[in-house]
Amino acid sequence: AQSVAQPEDQVNVAEGNPLTVKCTYSVSGNPYLFWYVQYPNRGLQFLLKYITGDNLVKGSYGFEAEFNKSQTSFHLKKPSALVSDSALYFCAVRDKGSSNTGKLIFGQGTTLQVKP
Amino acid sequence: GAVVSQHPSWVICKSGTSVKIECRSLDFQATTMFWYRQFPKQSLMLMATSNEGSKATYEQGVEKDKFLINHASLTLSTLTVTSAHPEDSSFYICSASSPGRTEAFFGQGTRLTVV
Repeated sequence: AQSVAQPEDQVNVAEGNPLTVKCTYSVSGNPYLFWYVQYPNRGLQFLLKYITGDNLVKGSYGFEAEFNKSQTSFHLKKPSALVSDSALYFCAVRDKGSSNTGKLIFGQGTTLQVKP
Repeated sequence: GAVVSQHPSWVICKSGTSVKIECRSLDFQATTMFWYRQFPKQSLMLMATSNEGSKATYEQGVEKDKFLINHASLTLSTLTVTSAHPEDSSFYICSASSPGRTEAFFGQGTRLTVV
């Protein structure tokens, strides 16, 4: 079965420090991987995706993620955190068992808290 | 990125009444729309998948007569919570996609409170 795991419920980091939000996946074949961010009482905003090609993917707001096939990971990173980055982050993989484009399997979410 | 608009952003209704939530893709044709439910500080739970012009496919445990989904056009899907009860109070989010896109785009969500 396909699945996504975000092992940390919460990540705390000081403003200006680098941040990492972890994600591991379990899928057969080549995965389509995504990161989304959610601010309180809002929908999800797309940050970045990995489909194929370069393992380092750059996305919105200075975020990037590295696809690591051997470790089945897709960790989200940012070199210098901002207080405004504080939000709930979701890793997701596209459900290959579905013919419906856009059907996603989500991790449980990680709350990022950036302190001044 | 593509824009998906969800309306209303929040709604309060009385027990026993029905509430309709709209999800519109503003700048692309969404052949497929998804409806999710989210509890506080939890992940998204997929409720159903709707393809334009056909009946929605509901996930296991989701009552189709309770949560009516209509996807009559390529830009609009609606979720109607019928005979709402307080336990239906939640945050509902839609997303939309099309064959030419690898990612889905999300509406801003609807906070439903049933009193």
